[in-house]
Amino acid sequence: GQQVMQIPQYQHVQEGEDFTTYCNSSTTLSNIQWYKQRPGGHPVFLIQLVKSGEVKKQKRLTFQFGEAKKNSSLHITATQTTDVGTYFCAGDAGNNRKLIWGLGTSLAVNP
Amino acid sequence: GAGVSQTPSNKVTEKGKYVELRCDPISGHTALYWYRQSLGQGPEFLIYFQGTGAADDSGLPNDRFFAVRPEGSVSTLKIQRTERGDSAVYLCASSLTGGRWETQYFGPGTRLLVL
Repeated sequence: GQQVMQIPQYQHVQEGEDFTTYCNSSTTLSNIQWYKQRPGGHPVFLIQLVKSGEVKKQKRLTFQFGEAKKNSSLHITATQTTDVGTYFCAGDAGNNRKLIWGLGTSLAVNP
Repeated sequence: GAGVSQTPSNKVTEKGKYVELRCDPISGHTALYWYRQSLGQGPEFLIYFQGTGAADDSGLPNDRFFAVRPEGSVSTLKIQRTERGDSAVYLCASSLTGGRWETQYFGPGTRLLVL
């Protein structure tokens, strides 16, 4: 079945350093979504990418969808302690609403 | 309501017991989703409702799990003969129409512990 993999599993950075998490799907995706989950919290929607090669920015966050629509990345510039949490990608391969989620990348930021 | 709410927030039960978990979606949202999240994992899809009907229940792990949404609003996830492996956070999400690329809004989850 469809699988979505994320790397790295954990990332520890100093405040001000950049951070990137990568998402790879075993199948072509119709869209990919990114969520952030704070410790003890629930997933909060960040963004959705639909088009091949799409790049979207939200302040210090840059999201990319690969040309083949099988991979994606989230890059955070100059991390802050408020960026701490687990970042999940979730993809939809077909015409259903069933999102397949990656295992997430947990980000820790040292002040 | 202002957001998706779930009750109870925590549930401790004994192996073999029956539990019900409730989800109140955002008012007016016709689509409702249940996920299960184990420690260190991403959410795992269980079932998706469009209105009152289960449009996709392919993620339910076995016949001990059942979900209903009789009036197209509140949904209840029911687990019979609970097992220790059912321990997880059960998340509910809703979206406005269930459109293909719609944002799903998550509730705070119910943390289920089966002893």
